[in-house]
Amino acid sequence: EVQLLESGGGLVQPGGSLRLSCTASGFTFSRYAMSWVRQAPGKGLEWVSATSGSGDSTYYADSVKGRFTISRDNSKNTLNLQMNSLRAEDTAVYYCATENYYDSSGLLQHWGQGTLVTVSS
Amino acid sequence: EIVLTQSPATLSLSPGERATLSCRASQSVSNYLAWYQQKPGQAPRLLIYDASNRATGIPARFSGSGSGTDFSLTISSLEPEDFAVYYCHQRRNWPPGSFGQGTKLEIK
Repeated sequence: EVQLLESGGGLVQPGGSLRLSCTASGFTFSRYAMSWVRQAPGKGLEWVSATSGSGDSTYYADSVKGRFTISRDNSKNTLNLQMNSLRAEDTAVYYCATENYYDSSGLLQHWGQGTLVTVSS
Repeated sequence: EIVLTQSPATLSLSPGERATLSCRASQSVSNYLAWYQQKPGQAPRLLIYDASNRATGIPARFSGSGSGTDFSLTISSLEPEDFAVYYCHQRRNWPPGSFGQGTKLEIK
């Protein structure tokens, strides 16, 4: 059974940094691209970032480009999202999701339960 | 940018009834459209991918159709657990793709 467990969320001041992690189990982690998707309170879904199975290819939404960095450690089955220069509008539940292929294609198959990031002074 | 517009915003039906949700794209997305179900406090769950393919473990009462710009998700006979918010998602221009704003399916 695929399991994804996000961690690292919390309260941070505007301009601050936070590092999210997603620990995966139940599948061969290195074979699949992974994405982060966020959901602001009471709002819809917004894709944030993706990476290929190897981590060599990375992609970002315009809203986070230059501030967020996605990475993965295939030896530890872990996906990370380093978030810098955080803004109030980054407040959301952040989900990690598996994709269906080695290269990122946008088919978001399995989702974790999410971790809440709150950016506020 | 491809914009997905879902309708209606809210759909009120009773268990046992048939539900039809719509998703319209601002330009063709071919068949690169998926549907997700989200219940309160839970993560989204993939229901349908590539317009008409049910994801693993999804009951047969869920079906998807359409291509190009007009798509629909049909639930043939509503079960109590089907009342949730449904999102469509296109990956034709991935990344970034785009999500619809959601349709809330509520109990009448």
